[in-house]
Amino acid sequence: DAEITQSPRHKITETGRQVTLACHQTWNHNNMFWYRQDLGHGLRLIHYSYGVHDTNKGEVSDGYSVSRSNTEDLPLTLESAASSQTSVYFCASSRGQDEQFFGPGTRLTVL
Amino acid sequence: GESVGLHLPTLSVQEGDNSIINCAYSNSASDYFIWYKQESGKGPQFIIDIRSNMDKRQGQRVTVLLNKTVKHLSLQIAATQPGDSAVYFCAENIGNSGNTPLVFGKGTRLSVIA
Repeated sequence: DAEITQSPRHKITETGRQVTLACHQTWNHNNMFWYRQDLGHGLRLIHYSYGVHDTNKGEVSDGYSVSRSNTEDLPLTLESAASSQTSVYFCASSRGQDEQFFGPGTRLTVL
Repeated sequence: GESVGLHLPTLSVQEGDNSIINCAYSNSASDYFIWYKQESGKGPQFIIDIRSNMDKRQGQRVTVLLNKTVKHLSLQIAATQPGDSAVYFCAENIGNSGNTPLVFGKGTRLSVIA
């Protein structure tokens, strides 16, 4: 069955370190998205991609980057992790401008 | 600012009763709306969607109502069960007329009292 996976599911890192969160989908969806979820803020869009080599900034993109070298993967990189980036991160994908399918999430703690 | 919001952040409902979760939107160009359910420790899960050319759509035990006049969206859950306890998000998209992602509301927590 097609699915969307995220790894790792839990990560603890230190301030200043580079961290990469993986997202992989097997639906062959063109669109992929990264969100962070914090209490009181709901889901906030970090970056998104509408196809290979396409990337766009979302509402809270500062301190994050993405790259899209193939259809299946959209890794999210924190260049220099900060405590304010402690959060739960969700990846999602969609075929078009409609329903998004979400991954199980990655809980990131920056100490 | 955020164009999708919710009237009630928390809702407690007796098991077997009907639940109504409300959502307001401010973008009159929005033409597609989705409700998601998120259980603790999991990612959001699609429940039901509706396009702006409709004012009502029904699924299994769920109904979404869209009032474009007052820019209001609601999710009705019939015969609420303990398994319905979760956070519910509405989201909007301005559809094919604009190349923008979904915009999510902050969510409403539904607690079902057994």
